[in-house]
Amino acid sequence: DTGVSQDPRHKITKRGQNVTFRCDPISEHNRLYWYRQTLGQGPEFLTYFQNEAQLEKSRLLSDRFSAERPKGSFSTLEIQRTEQGDSAMYLCASSLGPTTGELFFGEGSRLTVL
Amino acid sequence: AQKVTQAQTEISVVEKEDVTLDCVYETRDTTYYLFWYKQPPSGELVFLIRRNSFDEQNEISGRYSWNFQKSTSSFNFTITASQVVDSAVYFCALMGDTGNQFYFGTGTSLTVIP
Repeated sequence: DTGVSQDPRHKITKRGQNVTFRCDPISEHNRLYWYRQTLGQGPEFLTYFQNEAQLEKSRLLSDRFSAERPKGSFSTLEIQRTEQGDSAMYLCASSLGPTTGELFFGEGSRLTVL
Repeated sequence: AQKVTQAQTEISVVEKEDVTLDCVYETRDTTYYLFWYKQPPSGELVFLIRRNSFDEQNEISGRYSWNFQKSTSSFNFTITASQVVDSAVYFCALMGDTGNQFYFGTGTSLTVIP
C-alpha cells in the first residue's frame, strides 16, 4: 500500500500525559499537512511542511503541540500535557505541491483524553 | 478571509433518488481551487474532484456531477440515482492562491435509505 499511513490509529491517554503520532506520507509527496477533526466538524488546519521545513502553523497549535519532519519524509505530531479538549481525530495528508493537486489523507489517529 | 459554508447538515434520500449537496465559498483570491471529499464511516477522506477558479465548466463523472458558478460563489455536487454506498459525510474545501491551506466546510452527512 502506497497511501498515507498513520500510527497509532487509536490512543487513549490520561490528562497530563504526552502523546506522539506518526505520519508516513506518499513517498514522492513533498508537502505534508496535519489537520484536526472533531465530531461533526470539518478538518481544521494545524500545520504543514514543505520537505523538512515547517512553513505555516495555525493559531490552533498551542505551545503544547509540536510537529517535526526531520528528513522530509515521515512526520511526528507531539502533544504535551494533554487536555480533554485535545480529544479529536488527527489527520495527516500529503500532496505533490502547492497547486498541483489534491490532498491525500491517511485514516487518522483518534485521541481520547480521559 | 477564506470560508466554506455547507448549510445542509444532514440529508436523507431513498435509493435511486437524485441529491444535490450545496457548497458556498468566500475568498478574495483571484486564483483558487475547490474540492469535494467523501468521508465514509471508515473515516478516511477520499478525494472526489478539484476545480480551479478559471474553469467554470461543469463536470460529470459517472453518477457524480459538479456545478461551479463563480457568480454565486457556489460549487454544488449532485449524485444521480443515489446508492446506499453513497452514504457518507461530504466535505467541500477551498484552497487559496498560496496553496498553503485547505479550508473545509462543516460537511453534509448523506444517508441513502434502501
